[in-house]
Amino acid sequence: GNSVTQMEGPVTLSEEAFLTINCTYTATGYPSLFWYVQYPGEGLQLLLKATKADDKGSNKGFEATYRKETTSFHLEKGSVQVSDSAVYFCALSGAVWYSSASKIIFGSGTRLSIRP
Amino acid sequence: SQTIHQWPATLVQPVGSPLSLECTVEGTSNPNLYWYRQAAGRGLQLLFYSVGIGQISSEVPQNLSASRPQDRQFILSSKKLLLSDSGFYLCAWIGSGGTDTQYFGPGTRLTVL
Repeated sequence: GNSVTQMEGPVTLSEEAFLTINCTYTATGYPSLFWYVQYPGEGLQLLLKATKADDKGSNKGFEATYRKETTSFHLEKGSVQVSDSAVYFCALSGAVWYSSASKIIFGSGTRLSIRP
Repeated sequence: SQTIHQWPATLVQPVGSPLSLECTVEGTSNPNLYWYRQAAGRGLQLLFYSVGIGQISSEVPQNLSASRPQDRQFILSSKKLLLSDSGFYLCAWIGSGGTDTQYFGPGTRLTVL
């Protein structure tokens, strides 16, 4: 079945460092891929998405490219800020064949802490 | 624009007590609705989803149930809470019509003592 694997956390970086959070997936067909961010005590917010191979999603300085050949969707940011401290979830969409529902399959999350 | 509400925001309940968490969506019709649980420091576990009024699919057999009495209302319930029911409960929706981006509510933090 479909699955998402993302790098274990926590990840601790200094402000202005380069960030990479790895995400790989297993899926049949052509799912959409997502990164969600969860700030402390809050629900998840969509950070970016890509719907087909070679698409690049970007938002708030974060980027991720849909790589079908490596089944990856790694999250990157060139210069992180303290305000980027949060938990990041990689996810993919998968249709439920017997209903009209879409199911989003999430990775286990990566906690990111940025030191001033 | 669409918004999603959850209440209560925080709840502390004794073991064996009942539970009712509510989720409502505004600004859309016929959404797909989802309940997730997030245990402390863990990922998301999909509990239930619904494609329409009265239609509930359960992902994990457990102590909880869900109902959808109205198009934009999704309720998570339990008759008797267990300690293991503690966690952060998130409601989410996806619009109808082929879109696959999921939007989340602010969550309810449940502590069972």
